[in-house]
Amino acid sequence: DAGVIQSPRHEVTEMGQEVTLRCKPISGHDYLFWYRQTMMRGLELLIYFNNNVPIDDSGMPEDRFSAKMPNASFSTLKIQPSEPRDSAVYFCASKTEEETQYFGPGTRLLVL
Amino acid sequence: GQSLEQPSEVTAVEGAIVQINCTYQTSGFYGLSWYQQHDGGAPTFLSYNGLDGLEETGRFSSFLSRSDSYGYLLLQELQMKDSASYFCAVSSTGGFKTIFGAGTRLFVKA
Repeated sequence: DAGVIQSPRHEVTEMGQEVTLRCKPISGHDYLFWYRQTMMRGLELLIYFNNNVPIDDSGMPEDRFSAKMPNASFSTLKIQPSEPRDSAVYFCASKTEEETQYFGPGTRLLVL
Repeated sequence: GQSLEQPSEVTAVEGAIVQINCTYQTSGFYGLSWYQQHDGGAPTFLSYNGLDGLEETGRFSSFLSRSDSYGYLLLQELQMKDSASYFCAVSSTGGFKTIFGAGTRLFVKA
């Protein structure tokens, strides 16, 4: 398996623009997680899905952030409008019922 | 709420043994995991403890005491490539929500 796939790997955008991050989980994994990592706040769980259904989105910072999982092989995290404080590395991870989470390579987002 | 505490930084020499501690506060504790992250990379899973005791995987071992809300990661025969950040993570019952600690940066010196 190719592992968790994320795109783009790097994104530079201007404040106010819409940003869409994409994730393809490992086939057969029915849990998908979106994390954000910064030096100041560490690794934060934003939202997670089980069988394509959002289970807990309490970590989503504000209404500018939204996440969808239209099917078992694809998820998006959207920021609209983006702000400089959204600059971070965004990781997607997936897992089965086992505890091990498999992380994608991350998307490095810079909002100018 | 949930919180985890681990040291911010540890330095050790090649070939030595190092222990990284993690204390946690959470409701509905399910298990404690450890992840490694090299600079510029993604977290990778190292070990998981759902029950009290020691889990061993090669040079890495992890321990959990549920009564003390405490765990540790033990790295033996340290190598330069072990220089990385190590995160403890707590998962809770009622779902699989996982909260990560702030991470411990390990520096391995020759």
